[in-house]
Amino acid sequence: GQQLNQSPQSMFIQEGEDVSMNCTSSSIFNTWLWYKQDPGEGPVLLIALYKAGELTSNGRLTAQFGITRKDSFLNISASIPSDVGIYFCAGRNAGNNRKLIWGLGTSLAVNP
Amino acid sequence: NAGVTQTPKFQVLKTGQSMTLQCAQDMNHNSMYWYRQDPGMGLRLIYYSASEGTTDKGEVPNGYNVSRLNKREFSLRLESAAPSQTSVYFCASSDDQPQHFGDGTRLSIL
Repeated sequence: GQQLNQSPQSMFIQEGEDVSMNCTSSSIFNTWLWYKQDPGEGPVLLIALYKAGELTSNGRLTAQFGITRKDSFLNISASIPSDVGIYFCAGRNAGNNRKLIWGLGTSLAVNP
Repeated sequence: NAGVTQTPKFQVLKTGQSMTLQCAQDMNHNSMYWYRQDPGMGLRLIYYSASEGTTDKGEVPNGYNVSRLNKREFSLRLESAAPSQTSVYFCASSDDQPQHFGDGTRLSIL
C-alpha cells in the first residue's frame, strides 16, 4: 500500500538541541497529522494540519502543511529527555475520507 | 474518560488457535479501525468500520475478520492464528480525523 516517505529514520541528539523531521508524499493530501508513540503505548496526536501553508504550534512543537500539499515537517525546539519516542506522520488524501496513510516513523533518542 | 480501551493487553497463542481482540470507545465516534504494528513497518490498516453496520478491508485483511457490534465496540478475530500474525494490534476511533488510539494488544503466536 501507499506509504509516506518519512525522514530521518532515527535521530540521536543532545538535550537542548532542536529537532526537525519531515514527510513527503507522491500525491496531494488535504490533512496532515503528527503523532508520538511512547514505548508500550498507542500513538498520541500532537498536531493536526488541514490547510496548505498552515503553521501550527503545540508548546515546543511546530508543524507545517507544505504549500504543495505533498509534504509536512515537524520541529521540536529545545529537546528534553521526555521527547524520546517514535514520531509518525500520517496523511489523508481527497480520495478516501476514512483511511490514513502512514509514514514509517522517526525514532528520537535524547541524551541528557 | 477512558477513550479507546483494548483487551487483552497481552496474549500468547499456539498456531491454529482462535482469538478475538476487543475494542471499545466512549467518545461516540462513528468510525473505528484496526491496525497492526510490526518493527520497521509502521502502522498497517487491517480493517475499518466507517459507521455502525459497515466494515471494509484495509491494507492487510487476510487471516482476520471483524465485527462492529454496536457504535462503541469493534472486535478483531483471528480464526486460525499463524506465527506471521505475531504483532502489536491497535484499535482507533474517529469522527472524520484525527484518529484516537488505544494502548494496544501484544499478541505472540508460537
